[in-house]
Amino acid sequence: KNEVEQSPQNLTAQEGEFITINCSYSVGISALHWLQQHPGGGIVSLFMLSSGKKKHGRLIATINIQEKHSSLHITASHPRDSAVYICAVKYGNKLVFGAGTILRVKS
Amino acid sequence: KAGVTQTPRYLIKTRGQQVTLSCSPISGHRSVSWYQQTPGQGLQFLFEYFSETQRNKGNFPGRFSGRQFSNSRSEMNVSTLELGDSALYLCASRLGGGWHNEQFFGPGTRLTVL
Repeated sequence: KNEVEQSPQNLTAQEGEFITINCSYSVGISALHWLQQHPGGGIVSLFMLSSGKKKHGRLIATINIQEKHSSLHITASHPRDSAVYICAVKYGNKLVFGAGTILRVKS
Repeated sequence: KAGVTQTPRYLIKTRGQQVTLSCSPISGHRSVSWYQQTPGQGLQFLFEYFSETQRNKGNFPGRFSGRQFSNSRSEMNVSTLELGDSALYLCASRLGGGWHNEQFFGPGTRLTVL
């Protein structure tokens, strides 16, 4: 079993829809990161969470430490949000990544 | 402030050769981490350097090694290349050594092993 599970693996949405991507992990962590990767490979760090909720523009990230679960929400989705979204958690001395969620937003 | 730069951006090698990739972090950043991304395994952590010392290492064979210089620039080396080493190699820098600090990724080096 992977230590970090993301769902869904693929997601297609219409422009303007509210999107949720989920990340679950199996053991206690100190921090969780959400990353965005566009075609071509460039990765941008979106959020680092250790508790609660963070918001940046149309992006909202939440984490529930007790339930070992985090969600990334995109409000009013736009085609430029099309990318792979990856969560990553730190276990001890290693950083473990989820497999990623491929998001496509159609206009 | 310039971002993280990686050279070369693309590289083609043959099995058995060795390769060195370079990463220049954002000015002032002392931590550099390296990652491998393949279609089959996704993103995997290779190692992390902070102030010229390797602090953490992922589950990769000894053919994968790295180092960091006094100016925080880092190199990673892969010896005796295998076909399975074909991947996008990413480095990321952050200001301090704690994982709570934001990471800034470079554009990556795409390595193809023939």
